[in-house]
Amino acid sequence: KNEVEQSPQNLTAQEGEFITINCSYSVGISALHWLQQHPGGGIVSLFMLSSGKKKHGRLIATINIQEKHSSLHITASHPRDSAVYICAVSVGAQKLVFGQGTRLTINP
Amino acid sequence: DAEITQSPRHKITETGRQVTLACHQTWNHNNMFWYRQDLGHGLRLIHYSYGVQDTNKGEVSDGYSVSRSNTEDLPLTLESAASSQTSVYFCASSGGPNAEAFFGQGTRLTVV
Repeated sequence: KNEVEQSPQNLTAQEGEFITINCSYSVGISALHWLQQHPGGGIVSLFMLSSGKKKHGRLIATINIQEKHSSLHITASHPRDSAVYICAVSVGAQKLVFGQGTRLTINP
Repeated sequence: DAEITQSPRHKITETGRQVTLACHQTWNHNNMFWYRQDLGHGLRLIHYSYGVQDTNKGEVSDGYSVSRSNTEDLPLTLESAASSQTSVYFCASSGGPNAEAFFGQGTRLTVV
């Protein structure tokens, strides 16, 4: 079993829909990261959080440390949100452990 | 603006050749990492460094080496390239354990 599990692995939705991507982890962490990767592109950090909730534009990230679970929400989704979203956790000595990623496709 | 850059962006090399991928960051971060990304495996840690002269092996370090002679650079060397090392390689840096990570644009390496 992977230390970081994401669901779903693939998600297709219509423009405007509310999107939720989930991340569960099984190890003690110091922080959790949400990353975005467009096809053929680099990896961009969206959020880093260790408790509570963060919001940036249409993106919201939450974390529940007790339940070892985080969610990434996208409101009013747009085709440009189509990308792979990766959950990663900082474990012990500053290394990142990654989930497998969620491929999101938003159709116009 | 501070940034992290990788070069080359694409490389094709032959089996058995030595290859070096460059990573340069201007964030003045102590922590630098090399990952490879493969379908079905996600991102996996190859080597990492917490400062000058410090290097450590990650989960998939066999066949790779790094050196850290200054804060800005962490070159990744494939000693004798193998087809199994065909992958996309990402370099990253961060300022500490609870700091945001910054990634390079990636290097697509093909070993033929």
